[in-house]
Amino acid sequence: EAQVTQNPRYLITVTGKKLTVTCSQNMNHEYMSWYRQDPGLGLRQIYYSMNVEVTDKGDVPEGYKVSRKEKRNFPLILESPSPNQTSLYFCASSLSFSPIYEQYFGPGTRLTVT
Amino acid sequence: DAKTTQPTSMDCAEGRAANLPCNHSTISGNEYVYWYRQIHSQGPQYIIHGLKNNETNEMASLIITEDRKSSTLILPHATLRDTAVYYCIVRVVQGAQKLVFGQGTRLTINP
Repeated sequence: EAQVTQNPRYLITVTGKKLTVTCSQNMNHEYMSWYRQDPGLGLRQIYYSMNVEVTDKGDVPEGYKVSRKEKRNFPLILESPSPNQTSLYFCASSLSFSPIYEQYFGPGTRLTVT
Repeated sequence: DAKTTQPTSMDCAEGRAANLPCNHSTISGNEYVYWYRQIHSQGPQYIIHGLKNNETNEMASLIITEDRKSSTLILPHATLRDTAVYYCIVRVVQGAQKLVFGQGTRLTINP
């Protein structure tokens, strides 16, 4: 089944403890992206990647890192999480960056930083 | 980015067609109209998209006016599982290809 998977789905952690949220897609998609969703603010893009080894900042990249070493994986890294990174995170992928192609979203990761 | 305007909420009876309007009066000629929905806090689900012509797939139909300043998403036979927030998005051609989700329309399907 074609899908975007994220792990973990739920995570409670403490301030400063490094964590990684994984994202994987099995559709051979070139484009991948991370969003965060907060009440009243909608979905905001954190980082995106147009292909392997090509990443760029979205609208809210502070406090996050990403890497794209393989086409299928696009992990989101929080080196020193803070409470303001408590949010619902979504990974998305698309065949390419062209707006012709729809983006598919993962199920989400709910992160709580205390 | 072209701004979209949608009603905050709508109701529809189960089994009837749900028609969700969207205004995008500042859309450019090469920008696509996309529709997504989000059920509770699940990942947004792609529904349909189009550029100029009307489109139909297994989920819905998309009607775009000739001047492209507005569109309507049609769910032909709404079920209770279609209760969700529906987002109309105009996608730019260049740049980060981010999807800009506005406030959307909260559609409630009533039995």
